[in-house]
Amino acid sequence: EPEVTQTPSHQVTQMGQEVILRCVPISNHLYFYWYRQILGQKVEFLVSFYNNEISEKSEIFDDQFSVERPDGSNFTLKIRSTKLEDSAMYFCASRLDSNQPQHFGDGTRLSIL
Amino acid sequence: EDQVTQSPEALRLQEGESSSLNCSYTVSGLRGLFWYRQDPGKGPEFLFTLYSAGEEKEKERLKATLTKKESFLHITAPKPEDSATYLCAVQATSNMLTFGGGTRLMVKP
Repeated sequence: EPEVTQTPSHQVTQMGQEVILRCVPISNHLYFYWYRQILGQKVEFLVSFYNNEISEKSEIFDDQFSVERPDGSNFTLKIRSTKLEDSAMYFCASRLDSNQPQHFGDGTRLSIL
Repeated sequence: EDQVTQSPEALRLQEGESSSLNCSYTVSGLRGLFWYRQDPGKGPEFLFTLYSAGEEKEKERLKATLTKKESFLHITAPKPEDSATYLCAVQATSNMLTFGGGTRLMVKP
């Protein structure tokens, strides 16, 4: 069964450094998302991406964050200057169309030191 | 603002002991309510979508129901492999999902 793939599974970065989290969505899906889950808290929406542009973003998704779909398969989340509070599990999700469920990857655990 | 509250936070059952998980929601214009299963260290795994009050969906030992204010995930005769965190999420007029805090289910043999 097709699945969403995320790399790396764990990323350790010094505060202030840039980090790029990578995702390969399910191949024929058109809608792409990033969510995060701070340890012990709810899964929170960050951003949605459709037709090569951001369609919606949350208050968390400030100027330090950006997303890109550089080719036909990858979908990336960049954090320009990481903060301690960016430590969380980051999940990528995709779906075929707006009437289908979102399918999630297994996440990247981001640890900021 | 959309809100989703799940109860209980944790539930311990004996194998074969049926029970229900609750998801209460407040949303303007519900487009769908979703149930996911999350195992430790993994991403949410899709289980069900419910669109309108009165709708029911079933899969093996799980059945999801929906009213205008809440959804229930009924688990019948659970097995240890059903142990996981069960997440409820709603989609309103936008494409984003708003998640509840989850119910951590532990089924003891």
